[in-house]
Amino acid sequence: ETGVTQTPRHLVMGMTNKKSLKCEQHLGHNAMYWYKQSAKKPLELMFVYSLEERVENNSVPSRFSPECPNSSHLFLHLHTLQPEDSALYLCASSPQREAYEQFFGPGTRLTVL
Amino acid sequence: AQSVTQPDIHITVSEGASLELRCNYSYGATPYLFWYVQSPGQGLQLLLKYFSGDTLVQGIKGFEAEFKRSQSSFNLRKPSVHWSDAAEYFCAVGGSSNTGKLIFGQGTTLQVKP
Repeated sequence: ETGVTQTPRHLVMGMTNKKSLKCEQHLGHNAMYWYKQSAKKPLELMFVYSLEERVENNSVPSRFSPECPNSSHLFLHLHTLQPEDSALYLCASSPQREAYEQFFGPGTRLTVL
Repeated sequence: AQSVTQPDIHITVSEGASLELRCNYSYGATPYLFWYVQSPGQGLQLLLKYFSGDTLVQGIKGFEAEFKRSQSSFNLRKPSVHWSDAAEYFCAVGGSSNTGKLIFGQGTTLQVKP
């Protein structure tokens, strides 16, 4: 595997389910990001991790819970989501938090019923 | 406030025609500017970036962009569009006041007619 990978690519869940999104980067980077992409809206930065420490949380509801066990892996744990949370969730990484060039994964298309 | 505006939500051009996608930004410090492309079902791929120096930057796939500080613009251009260029294009800004954080525009969808 190369670059940034995300699994699953598609996920359908009910509002009472608990699921997790996984992101893995094979680039040796130290910073990782979660973004939400909704139709016709700019990308919304959700969380930033630098050296496995959460350095930014952009007022994201607590039903989204990130986890970064090491610099290569990032998870987004989901529980009791709402239909408006349906979106494409993108993971990205960069060499350091201060490096502005970010490398994106293909995303997970989430549908909440 | 920091923001990026892409005035054109949707653009259609004929294959072989030239292309210009507009991007205007508002940023209080020295901006770092980016163009990303997203094909259907894919993540974002970096086309080019501007940090400093020559205001005309070359990117991948034959794209270029010009930074115009006086106009707060960073427009993307390509002299001859190919059908495979059909995608969504995002302009983004970052900089010293926003350590590592990128602000994205809403995107411009490019359709290419045969």
